[in-house]
Amino acid sequence: GQNIDQPTEMTATEGAIVQINCTYQTSGFNGLFWYQQHAGEAPTFLSYNVLDGLEEKGRFSSFLSRSKGYSYLLLKELQMKDSASYLCAVKNSNYQLIWGAGTKLIIKP
Amino acid sequence: DVKVTQSSRYLVKRTGEKVFLECVQDMDHENMFWYRQDPGLGLRLIYFSYDVKMKEKGDIPEGYSVSREKKERFSLILESASTNQTSMYLCASTLGSGEVGELFFGEGSRLTVL
Repeated sequence: GQNIDQPTEMTATEGAIVQINCTYQTSGFNGLFWYQQHAGEAPTFLSYNVLDGLEEKGRFSSFLSRSKGYSYLLLKELQMKDSASYLCAVKNSNYQLIWGAGTKLIIKP
Repeated sequence: DVKVTQSSRYLVKRTGEKVFLECVQDMDHENMFWYRQDPGLGLRLIYFSYDVKMKEKGDIPEGYSVSREKKERFSLILESASTNQTSMYLCASTLGSGEVGELFFGEGSRLTVL
């Protein structure tokens, strides 16, 4: 089967750094997405990785290792507004999106 | 900015009722999707459409149907609602044909079936 694993919940402190991991087993690979979803709102796109390495976008960075079936989302200088769920999704060889259950990130002052 | 609008944020229906969830996007996207989101599970694809009048089953189509009569509008229909269809329903759209690019989501429709 195909599956995406990510931690259910994480807690971090305002101003700190947090890394949210995502491991995947899919039939082929054509890219990995990260989305942010605040409670009661629509998911919004954060990043897309298709090649190995780190993609940086402001306070957020996303890393991919295709050989390890692994990605992480790194959030720096955490702010209270970063409290949200973070969804990892992989595009397989049929261009279908396989979704993880999401990681709920709680930021404490 | 792309806007995906879902007709109802919250609905309460009774078992056996017919339910219509409508979704409209304003950026001329070809691809539209209906997902359901349940606690502890990843998004699950119900149906998708790559063109007007075209529809494809996703992973969990049972108990649902869809309609895409116009490019901008994609409707999800529950012919006879059941309690196990209580969920958050998310509509999404994306550019391109065939491949799935960045998805733009609507705010979601939270359906409760009593």
